[in-house]
Amino acid sequence: DAKTTQPPSMDCAEGRAANLPCNHSTISGNEYVYWYRQIHSQGPQYIIHGLKNNETNEMASLIITEDRKSSTLILPHATLRDTAVYYCIVSLPKWDQGGKLIFGQGTELSVKP
Amino acid sequence: EAGVTQFPSHSVIEKGQTVTLRCDPISGHDNLYWYRRVMGKEIKFLLHFVKESKQDESGMPNNRFLAERTGGTYSTLKVQPAELEDSGVYFCASSHPPGTGSEDGYTFGSGTRLTVV
Repeated sequence: DAKTTQPPSMDCAEGRAANLPCNHSTISGNEYVYWYRQIHSQGPQYIIHGLKNNETNEMASLIITEDRKSSTLILPHATLRDTAVYYCIVSLPKWDQGGKLIFGQGTELSVKP
Repeated sequence: EAGVTQFPSHSVIEKGQTVTLRCDPISGHDNLYWYRRVMGKEIKFLLHFVKESKQDESGMPNNRFLAERTGGTYSTLKVQPAELEDSGVYFCASSHPPGTGSEDGYTFGSGTRLTVV
C-alpha cells in the first residue's frame, strides 16, 4: 500500500501557484519523497524529489516539513498544461534496493483559465 | 536523448491469445522497470531488471506473465494466455545505474494499452 495521503482533487487558476499537499507520517529515515505527474494518456513524468531539505528545479519546488511527515509540491505559475494527476511517493532511492515506486491515487489537479 | 519507447501503443486481443509488449529503454540505462494500471486501480509495480538480471519480480501477478531482457537492452513482457483482467496500460521505465549519472527519478514510456476481449 502507498505510504502517502493526498487530496483526491484540487483546482487552481491559471498563472497562480498550485500547492499540492502530501502526508507521509510513517516515512522512515532513509526514504525519499518523490513527486511524479501523469498527464492524460502519457506515462508518469518525474518532477522532483527530496530527503529533508527543500528542493527547487525548473519545474517545481518541494517543501518538506522538519519532521518529514508531510510535504508540499509547489508549481509557481500553473498553466493549463499542468493539468494532470500528481503523485507523491515515498521510496528508497534507486541505489538502495532498486527504489520501486508505490503509487497511490494521487491528486487530480485542474488548472482553469 | 531519445526517451523510453514502448510498442505497440495499443493492442486488442482475444481472451486466450498471446501478446508480447516491448520496451526500449534509454541507452545506457541499466535499470528497467515494468508497471501496469488496470482499470480503476493505481499504477502497480511488476518487476525490475538490472541489465539482464531480474532484481525484483515481486509484482508479477501470476505465471502467465513472462518478462525477459536478453542482452540487457530492450525488454519484452509476454502474457500467455491473456485473460480479461489483464486489460490495462502497461508502462516501462528506465534509469541510470546508481552513482553514474542523474540521481533523479525514472523516465517512463507512454505505455501500451492492452485490451483483452
